[in-house]
Amino acid sequence: EPEVTQTPSHQVTQMGQEVILRCVPISNHLYFYWYRQILGQKVEFLVSFYNNEISEKSEIFDDQFSVERPDGSNFTLKIRSTKLEDSAMYFCASSLTFLQGGDYTFGSGTRLTVV
Amino acid sequence: AQKITQTQPGMFVQEKEAVTLDCTYDTSDPSYGLFWYKQPSSGEMIFLIYQGSYDQQNATEGRYSLNFQKARKSANLVISASQLGDSAMYFCAMRVGGGATNKLIFGTGTLLAVQP
Repeated sequence: EPEVTQTPSHQVTQMGQEVILRCVPISNHLYFYWYRQILGQKVEFLVSFYNNEISEKSEIFDDQFSVERPDGSNFTLKIRSTKLEDSAMYFCASSLTFLQGGDYTFGSGTRLTVV
Repeated sequence: AQKITQTQPGMFVQEKEAVTLDCTYDTSDPSYGLFWYKQPSSGEMIFLIYQGSYDQQNATEGRYSLNFQKARKSANLVISASQLGDSAMYFCAMRVGGGATNKLIFGTGTLLAVQP
């Protein structure tokens, strides 16, 4: 079964450093997303991406965050200068359409720890 | 306001029994979708079941069924014949927005513990 692949699975970084979280969505999917889950809390939407541009972003997604689809397969989330409160699990997701449910697929996440 | 509410922070169930996890939602959009995800301690989000707002029949996937009551805005997950491996956090989510702006809104989750 096709899957969304995220790397790395764990990342520890120093406060103030830049991090890039990588995702390979399902190959024929058209819509891409990043979500965040702070430990013990609910999953929160960060940003959606379609047709090579951001289609929606939440208030969490401030100027420190950026997304990019540098080639036909990768989808990255960059945090420019990490803060302690950026420590969370980051999930990438992709979907073929916005009408169906079963095609909305999450990756296994990257656990980011900022020290 | 668009919102998902899960009122059960934790639930216990005996192995082989059925359990219902509650989820209510609030939206004014006529078109939306409702999801349930399982999150084991390893952290990944595992898709369980989906119900579209226009679907006439309740969704079923193996031991999982979704009790969709549109008028009451509820989308409860029923797990039949619980297994020890069902112990996990369960999240209800709602897909809102159309086209490229669609996104999922999650509830706070229910931690299910299956007892032998």
